[in-house]
Amino acid sequence: GIQVEQSPPDLILQEGANSTLRCNFSDSVNNLQWFHQNPWGQLINLFYIPSGTKQNGRLSATTVATERYSLLYISSSQTTDSGVYFCAVPNTGGFKTIFGAGTRLFVKA
Amino acid sequence: NAGVTQTPKFQVLKTGQSMTLQCAQDMNHEYMSWYRQDPGMGLRLIHYSVGAGITDQGEVPNGYNVSRSTTEDFPLRLLSAAPSQTSVYFCASSTDRYQPQHFGDGTRLSIL
Repeated sequence: GIQVEQSPPDLILQEGANSTLRCNFSDSVNNLQWFHQNPWGQLINLFYIPSGTKQNGRLSATTVATERYSLLYISSSQTTDSGVYFCAVPNTGGFKTIFGAGTRLFVKA
Repeated sequence: NAGVTQTPKFQVLKTGQSMTLQCAQDMNHEYMSWYRQDPGMGLRLIHYSVGAGITDQGEVPNGYNVSRSTTEDFPLRLLSAAPSQTSVYFCASSTDRYQPQHFGDGTRLSIL
């Protein structure tokens, strides 16, 4: 089945810094989602981005489907950005969604 | 609009007990799924459903049963709880398998 790898596994930032999170996948996909899991455990949809670039405030995401990766950019990070960021893609055939192991982000005040 | 509602939020069971985790959505979504999340790991798919009356297994189905009698509800049953099933359980729904998934707030389950 499809493999999803996220990097880096852990990231510590000073408030105000920028960062890039990466998601690599081993097969072609027709959708990809980025989620933020906040410290209370809630999973928040960030982007649904099978290809191209989208922006939402300080966050943006780019998926290059032909090269099998997606990037999540966080600019001017805030302490509320702390948590775990997951990317998720459907497996080949599409009925099962496979999650990466996540990037754990801590933003220091 | 409540979205995806999971109950209970927390539960402690003894080994061997049975339990049903409830999941309901009010968005008329056809696709629903259950995941478990263990410490330091991503989510793993337990079971999913593409519509009322249709269910199938995910990555880690052993020890769990599901049914889908209505579009709105997708309960997850543990028939004989084991300590290895201690986890956080998430339910999700979407219009179809290619569309964004919406998650409930999770159920934290501990089995002693």
